Amino acid sequence: NAGVTQTPKFRILKIGQSMTLQCTQDMNHNYMYWYRQDPGMGLKLIYYSVGAGITDKGEVPNGYNVSRSTTEDFPLRLELAAPSQTSVYFCASSYEGRAYGYTFGSGTRLTVV
Amino acid sequence: DQQVKQNSPSLSVQEGRISILNCDYTNSMFDYFLWYKKYPAEGPTFLISISSIKDKNEDGRFTVFLNKSAKHLSLHIVPSQPGDSAVYFCAASKDGGNTPLVFGKGTRLSVIA
Repeated sequence: NAGVTQTPKFRILKIGQSMTLQCTQDMNHNYMYWYRQDPGMGLKLIYYSVGAGITDKGEVPNGYNVSRSTTEDFPLRLELAAPSQTSVYFCASSYEGRAYGYTFGSGTRLTVV
Repeated sequence: DQQVKQNSPSLSVQEGRISILNCDYTNSMFDYFLWYKKYPAEGPTFLISISSIKDKNEDGRFTVFLNKSAKHLSLHIVPSQPGDSAVYFCAASKDGGNTPLVFGKGTRLSVIA
């Protein structure tokens, strides 16, 4: 039972490069989320999805894009990486948005240089 | 504009004593509150929650208290154990837990043996 799997775990990008952070869950959860955590800060919501084909912006969506073509996968795309996007990214999923049911992945540590 | 505030970045407690972690919120629409625990290099894991219709919820060594009039909640850990050393995040949601979680900055708890 894998839960929420994020890849890669670590990545260094150069300014202006692009990449996709992968997130997949095997719990048949319909809600999925992307958060970022900057040093000394809480988790800030980037995007979320309430089901396949439906996505919505969170608090800090600029510089990111998402898609949700299947229930299992919720990739996060960074276009034209900037140093301000250096952060730890967490993907999470839940059943019907129930807050107590959030399952988080172990995170992707991204550095933009 | 921080809607969920954890004003103590860190807390040190001796093993066996009580740990009290505090959290304040500003949005009166929040009606569901949670505590998450995070170890280094892992994603947050759900610890305990409370609905706004209650003022206390207990689960083993963990108790969460909610004071709606003061917009304040606290997490009590009794007795504290070295394995409790982690970062604790307070989070809040609206609509009975069906909107994405808003997180505080976290409090790092160190339990000293």
